[in-house]
Amino acid sequence: GIQVEQSPPDLILQEGANSTLRCNFSDSVNNLQWFHQNPWGQLINLFYIPSGTKQNGRLSATTVATERYSLLYISSSQTTDSGVYFCAVEETGFQKLVFGTGTRLLVSP
Amino acid sequence: NAGVMQNPRHLVRRRGQEARLRCSPMKGHSHVYWYRQLPEEGLKFMVYLQKENIIDESGMPKERFSAEFPKEGPSILRIQQVVRGDSAAYFCASSPSTGSSYNEQFFGPGTRLTVL
Repeated sequence: GIQVEQSPPDLILQEGANSTLRCNFSDSVNNLQWFHQNPWGQLINLFYIPSGTKQNGRLSATTVATERYSLLYISSSQTTDSGVYFCAVEETGFQKLVFGTGTRLLVSP
Repeated sequence: NAGVMQNPRHLVRRRGQEARLRCSPMKGHSHVYWYRQLPEEGLKFMVYLQKENIIDESGMPKERFSAEFPKEGPSILRIQQVVRGDSAAYFCASSPSTGSSYNEQFFGPGTRLTVL
């Protein structure tokens, strides 16, 4: 099956800093989603981005499907950005999401 | 428009008991997915259902686990004779049926199952 790898596995930032999270996948995909799992365990949809670039406030994402990677940018980080960020892909021919291992982000004041 | 609803939010069972987890998809969504998250791990797909049909159960353990999505009412994930290894967070997701390739999945708050 498809492999999804995320880097870095852990990230510690000072409030106000910027960061880039990466998601690599091993095969062609129909769809790609980014999620934030907050400290209470809830999964928040950030982006639905099978290709191209999208922006939402301080967050933006880019997926280059032909090169099999996606990037999530967080600018001017805040303590509320802390949590785990997951990339998940829908492999071509299937409708289930395959999740990456996540990036654990801690933003300190 | 209410999001995906799951209940209960927390469930405690003793070894050998049954666990029933419920999921109501978002309004207008006819596709339901169940995922399991073990402690400190990512989410793993279990089963994908449409009304009255199991479409893909490739991630479901062969024994003790079953899922349904009846014509009326919520989707149910049932775990019989629970063991300690079943302790996990179980998430339900739903997506719309648009006839296109758009298939964004939205997740419920999860049910945290603890087996004593």
